[in-house]
Amino acid sequence: GENVEQHPSTLSVQEGDSAVIKCTYSDSASNYFPWYKQELGKRPQLIIDIRSNVGEKKDQRIAVTLNKTAKHFSLHITETQPEDSAVYFCAAVDGNQFYFGTGTSLTVIP
Amino acid sequence: DTEVTQTPKHLVMGMTNKKSLKCEQHMGHRAMYWYKQKAKKPPELMFVYSYEKLSINESVPSRFSPECPNSSLLNLHLHALQPEDSALYLCASSSALAGSAPETQYFGPGTRLLVL
Repeated sequence: GENVEQHPSTLSVQEGDSAVIKCTYSDSASNYFPWYKQELGKRPQLIIDIRSNVGEKKDQRIAVTLNKTAKHFSLHITETQPEDSAVYFCAAVDGNQFYFGTGTSLTVIP
Repeated sequence: DTEVTQTPKHLVMGMTNKKSLKCEQHMGHRAMYWYKQKAKKPPELMFVYSYEKLSINESVPSRFSPECPNSSLLNLHLHALQPEDSALYLCASSSALAGSAPETQYFGPGTRLLVL
């Protein structure tokens, strides 16, 4: 089955700096890669996703890059704000099976 | 409407109780999921229903029993739970089915379960 690794497990940045979270996956059949943000006590919410036929996608301050050959994808958050503080999960998806990374706890220091 | 709803929000139960968690979506999604999540850990898949039929059961103990009465509803029946079953139980739905192009999974707000 699929194995998704996510790094780092914790990340602290100063407000205004950039944050990068990286994930690797093992199964080349995975072809959809969403990122979820989960604030304390709340549900995971989709923030951005990318499909295997695209190398990069951007939505305002958030971007995701995908390298299918190397089987890794990354989340980039620019101009971080305190409200970006949360746990972020990547996932690799094959059909209707979601395989989640272990999560990154991001803290943005004002 | 991209909302999945869950009831109750919180549940405290003893080890001999029987209770049920409920999930509802009206997005026409044909895949529905139950996940268990511990604090700061990723969601762990428990069950997947496709077209109201159980398609994936990730070796979950029999004290958890899922039910899909119709395409909009998903229940999780709980009986004789253990304290280690205390967690956030998340329901999710997706328009994707096995063998089809994957689609976004939408999560409900979860039920926070405490087993005493």
